[in-house]
Amino acid sequence: QKEVEQDPGPLSVPEGAIVSLNCTYSNSAFQYFMWYRQYSRKGPELLMYTYSSGNKEDGRFTAQVDKSSKYISLFIRDSQPSDSATYLCAMRVAGDNQGGKLIFGQGTELSVKP
Amino acid sequence: SAVISQKPSRDICQRGTSLTIQCQVDSQVTMMFWYRQQPGQSLTLIATANQGSEATYESGFVIDKFPISRPNLTFSTLTVSNMSPEDSSIYLCSAGTRSYNEQFFGPGTRLTVL
Repeated sequence: QKEVEQDPGPLSVPEGAIVSLNCTYSNSAFQYFMWYRQYSRKGPELLMYTYSSGNKEDGRFTAQVDKSSKYISLFIRDSQPSDSATYLCAMRVAGDNQGGKLIFGQGTELSVKP
Repeated sequence: SAVISQKPSRDICQRGTSLTIQCQVDSQVTMMFWYRQQPGQSLTLIATANQGSEATYESGFVIDKFPISRPNLTFSTLTVSNMSPEDSSIYLCSAGTRSYNEQFFGPGTRLTVL
């Protein structure tokens, strides 16, 4: 079983839709949770990160963490064609002795149609 | 954020040869990492590049196959040695500035081994 599971999609939505992207994980020691966006043939771009449980909002993006269910989500409001990309979740264990090792999900390919 | 460049952006190599990938950051960073992204799979950490000391390798990756250098706080190289077709992948450099949670990625090096 992979430590982080993410549905690879592809997910296709009309412009203006609310998009929900999700990951589940098995390691209860994960404390920090990140979302990256990766355009085709580009490196991943950090969107936001959260610590432990709760919500975090940044513009049209909202990240949610439910540690009791080992489930994290990224919501995109008023989706735009420019949001079409692969979205990767990543997470890590707290503590400097773990270094900066991030465990990534497989990524979900999102397409927003005009 | 840090701006990260990689050279080469892509290469096609013959089996048994070696390729060195360069990673340059536009500012001094405390942490640099090397990841591999195989087709249809998630990013996997190869090693942490430590300035002034030997790199720290993840399980399944060894120094003889992936030697890493980090001569200063803005530059690192990854060599893929004695390549086989299984090494065909995208290799990504990342750097962390203020914390392990804010890792920024380079554009990647797309390697094909024939």
